[in-house]
Amino acid sequence: KQEVTQIPAALSVPEGENLVLNCSFTDSAIYNLQWFRQDPGKGLTSLLLIQSSQREQTSGRLNASLDKSSGRSTLYIAASQPGDSATYLCAVDLGQGAQKLVFGQGTRLTINP
Amino acid sequence: EPEVTQTPSHQVTQMGQEVILRCVPISNHLYFYWYRQILGQKVEFLVSFYNNEISEKSEIFDDQFSVERPDGSNFTLKIRSTKLEDSAMYFCASLQRVTSTDTQYFGPGTRLTVL
Repeated sequence: KQEVTQIPAALSVPEGENLVLNCSFTDSAIYNLQWFRQDPGKGLTSLLLIQSSQREQTSGRLNASLDKSSGRSTLYIAASQPGDSATYLCAVDLGQGAQKLVFGQGTRLTINP
Repeated sequence: EPEVTQTPSHQVTQMGQEVILRCVPISNHLYFYWYRQILGQKVEFLVSFYNNEISEKSEIFDDQFSVERPDGSNFTLKIRSTKLEDSAMYFCASLQRVTSTDTQYFGPGTRLTVL
């Protein structure tokens, strides 16, 4: 059974710092991996999707990497801003049927002005 | 930009009562999902729906749960006899196509409180 783990559970950093969020998964047979953002009282917003054949994806200040063989992904946020404060979720698609996602527990990020 | 909507945003019910959570997926999407998130826990897959039938369901999705697409726009989750442990945030999601690059779009969620 696929298990997804995220470390740390919470992170608080001053504005402007670069930071890394970690995600690990137990079964390397994934179709793709996604990073989502969850704001309080709101739904999940997809940030980046990395296909299983890719090593990384970039969107603005965000860069996500994938090492399928070791079961790891990282989300790098450059020059953090208070608006980046949210919970970040990692999810893997097992590629079985209609895109069933398995989520990690998330990292709650606080950027202090 | 198109978005997934859910109603109500918050539902309070008594244990044993039936509830129906409603979702309007993005109009040209073909795949529909329900997930739940118990407070402080992971987002968990409940069910996926395609071509008017369930394509996959989790162990959580027992006989108390059912889904329906009653018309061309709504997608509903029914819980027949709610239990205290059904209290959670329920998210609906939709997906246009199953490819390696398409992503699910999530609604804002319905917070269900069972008393």
